[in-house]
Amino acid sequence: GIQVEQSPPDLILQEGANSTLRCNFSDSVNNLQWFHQNPWGQLINLFYIPSGTKQNGRLSATTVATERYSLLYISSSQTTDSGVYFCAVRNTGFQKLVFGTGTRLLVSP
Amino acid sequence: NAGVTQTPKFRVLKTGQSMTLLCAQDMNHEYMYWYRQDPGMGLRLIHYSVGEGTTAKGEVPDGYNVSRLKKQNFLLGLESAAPSQTSVYFCATFTGRNEKLFFGSGTQLSVL
Repeated sequence: GIQVEQSPPDLILQEGANSTLRCNFSDSVNNLQWFHQNPWGQLINLFYIPSGTKQNGRLSATTVATERYSLLYISSSQTTDSGVYFCAVRNTGFQKLVFGTGTRLLVSP
Repeated sequence: NAGVTQTPKFRVLKTGQSMTLLCAQDMNHEYMYWYRQDPGMGLRLIHYSVGEGTTAKGEVPDGYNVSRLKKQNFLLGLESAAPSQTSVYFCATFTGRNEKLFFGSGTQLSVL
């Protein structure tokens, strides 16, 4: 099945810093999403982005499907950005969304 | 509009007991999934359904059964709970087209 790798596994930032999270996948996809799991365990959908670039406030995401990677940018990080960020992908022609192992982000004041 | 509702939110079982987790959605989505998340880990797919009356196995189906008798409900059953099934269980729904996945708030299950 499709493999999904996220990097870095852990990231520690000071408030106000910028960061880039990466998601690599091993096959063609027709669905790619980014999620944030907050410290209370809730999973929030940040972006549906199988290709191209989207922005939502301080967050933006870019997927280059032909090169099989996606990037999540966090600018001017805040303590509320702490948590785990997951990407999930779906192979073309398959029914399942496969999750990466996540990037754990800690933003300190 | 509640979205995706999981019940119960917390449960403690003894080894060998059985229980059923309920996922209910009001978004008329075709696809429903059950994932488990162990401490410090990602999400692993247990079982899923692509429509009423259908179910299929995911990555880690052993020890679990599911049913989708009604489109809005997806049940996850543990017939004989084991300590290895201690985890947080998430339900998620999806239209099946290229759109977003929506999660419930999770069920924290401890098996002693």
